[in-house]
Amino acid sequence: AQSVTQLGSHVSVSEGALVLLRCNYSSSVPPYLFWYVQYPNQGLQLLLKYTTGATLVKGINGFEAEFKKSETSFHLTKPSAHMSDAAEYFCAVSGAPNSKLTFGKGITLSVRP
Amino acid sequence: KAGVTQTPRYLIKTRGQQVTLSCSPISGHRSVSWYQQTPGQGLQFLFEYFSETQRNKGNFPGRFSGRQFSNSRSEMNVSTLELGDSALYLCASSFGGEDTQYFGPGTRLTVL
Repeated sequence: AQSVTQLGSHVSVSEGALVLLRCNYSSSVPPYLFWYVQYPNQGLQLLLKYTTGATLVKGINGFEAEFKKSETSFHLTKPSAHMSDAAEYFCAVSGAPNSKLTFGKGITLSVRP
Repeated sequence: KAGVTQTPRYLIKTRGQQVTLSCSPISGHRSVSWYQQTPGQGLQFLFEYFSETQRNKGNFPGRFSGRQFSNSRSEMNVSTLELGDSALYLCASSFGGEDTQYFGPGTRLTVL
């Protein structure tokens, strides 16, 4: 079984500041980890994913995440926030290729001018 | 390549009615998964179809059902609608052997 914990429901940063969204997972098998972003009234867009190999994963829009097995974490970062980054972000885990995704509760990111 | 499409985008139904939602996957994708998104429960997996067969199922009552056609298009049906079924229903498709699911824009169902 898998589970995902995203602490907090809302993060607010200033434009240009570092973005850090935390994600911790639990999995009884080697995990596949994902970050998705959802803009208002839209579906989910894949930001990045970790399957195997390099633990630092780069995604779209300047985001990256690092898989840390010892900490069971997959935190999402971006060096400099942009107003267009304001959205809801979901961390997800699956236990096998193309297996069902288990999502965290999501974090709403606000970016202040 | 066109993305995942879902129809209709919005639906309003009353309690006790049934509803059918449609999902057309990305061309070449053979797996279609359905998720329910609500403010209270978040994103929850409903079921997955691959080559017209249900391959995986979440913890939803039997009122929720689905099917997949030979062209990989999928439909989801909810019978005897309840107020709590109001949600955004998201469809996701993948090739089948890969691990990335691509999501459609969703169908927002409101049950009155």
